[in-house]
Amino acid sequence: AQKITQTQPGMFVQEKEAVTLDCTYDTSDQSYGLFWYKQPSSGEMIFLIYQGSYDEQNATEGRYSLNFQKARKSANLVISASQLGDSAMYFCAMRGLQAAGNKLTFGGGTRVLVKP
Amino acid sequence: KAGVTQTPRYLIKTRGQQVTLSCSPISGHRSVSWYQQTPGQGLQFLFEYFSETQRNKGNFPGRFSGRQFSNSRSEMNVSTLELGDSALYLCASSLEYLDPEAFFGQGTRLTVV
Repeated sequence: AQKITQTQPGMFVQEKEAVTLDCTYDTSDQSYGLFWYKQPSSGEMIFLIYQGSYDEQNATEGRYSLNFQKARKSANLVISASQLGDSAMYFCAMRGLQAAGNKLTFGGGTRVLVKP
Repeated sequence: KAGVTQTPRYLIKTRGQQVTLSCSPISGHRSVSWYQQTPGQGLQFLFEYFSETQRNKGNFPGRFSGRQFSNSRSEMNVSTLELGDSALYLCASSLEYLDPEAFFGQGTRLTVV
């Protein structure tokens, strides 16, 4: 079984500052992928960043970076230089890459509000 | 390149009715997954289809069913609707069955009254 925990239900961040969203996971899979998605009020889930369990380098995509600490089973998302448009729900998710039925398991989400 | 298209965007149904939701994946993508999102339960996996075959199913009652067509388009059906079925239903498409990346549509917001 897989489990994702996001301990921050909501947070405020000042525009142009960096913010770190916490995510810890639990899985018995040896090979897995970790994802972050953004969900604005429109409802669409927007893919932000992906980290494979065997990737040695932390993933980066523009202003998004994933701080992957495998031994601690954490995959925190860092958003640099926050913008007003970053206000949204953020979900951490994981997916086994070997077992049959590779469904995504999601955390409860963190609501981010960027203040001008 | 068009993204994942879900229709309809909004739907209001009465208890006891049935509903069919549609999902057209990104062109060339062959794997489609469905998720239910509610304020109480969060995002929960419903099913996953690849090559017209259901590959995995979440913990939902038999009232929830789905299928995938030869062009990879997928439909999900909910029969005998209950108030608790009110949710945002999201569809995700992936290139292949074991492809780690999934891209979501805008969802169908179903309200059961």
